[in-house]
Amino acid sequence: GAGVSQSPRYKVAKRGQDVALRCDPISGHVSLFWYQQALGQGPEFLTYFQNEAQLDKSGLPSDRFFAERPEGSVSTLKIQRTQQEDSAVYLCASSPTSTQYFGPGTRLLVL
Amino acid sequence: RKEVEQDPGPFNVPEGATVAFNCTYSNSASQSFFWYRQDCRKEPKLLMSVYSSGNEDGRFTAQLNRASQYISLLIRDSKLSDSATYLCAVKGGSSNTGKLIFGQGTTLQVKP
Repeated sequence: GAGVSQSPRYKVAKRGQDVALRCDPISGHVSLFWYQQALGQGPEFLTYFQNEAQLDKSGLPSDRFFAERPEGSVSTLKIQRTQQEDSAVYLCASSPTSTQYFGPGTRLLVL
Repeated sequence: RKEVEQDPGPFNVPEGATVAFNCTYSNSASQSFFWYRQDCRKEPKLLMSVYSSGNEDGRFTAQLNRASQYISLLIRDSKLSDSATYLCAVKGGSSNTGKLIFGQGTTLQVKP
């Protein structure tokens, strides 16, 4: 069946630009997670949704980062006024219960 | 100190070798443990969950040592296709949101 999809797969942004990253989870998965993975590091948790409720946003690095999942399916991670340190792969994962299934990620490069 | 730590390697081994990776975690209340495999420029994929009694899946064996707070992954009869980064992940503890805390990853290169 269809897995988690993310778009765009690659994004180049100029410093100061706003970006929006989309995640389409596996149909029916209640839980949705966003992670940030810097080069040579493991993924780091950003935020968690259960259906449309954002239950944990403790990993968001600053108030420039905002995530939503208004109808409990598709989620968008928005980064305002991008900085060079935001360059990373942004991974989305969805989960029916325990196991998390990752999407291919969006590779963001901020110049 | 990071909550989950791994030796980044790289581990360079010949085909057919047995190789083992360890991963330590600091939160004694952690409840669930996993090994993920990540190929270059790809997403992490679940390799196996780690159970208290230890578990095996073909050439792969995972073990958990709660007293010493580490998990291990043993790969027997290494194949060229095993070359990848292996990420350990820990869930639970004070947070009940199910978020995973990952280690840095250990890189394995299997040579002919």
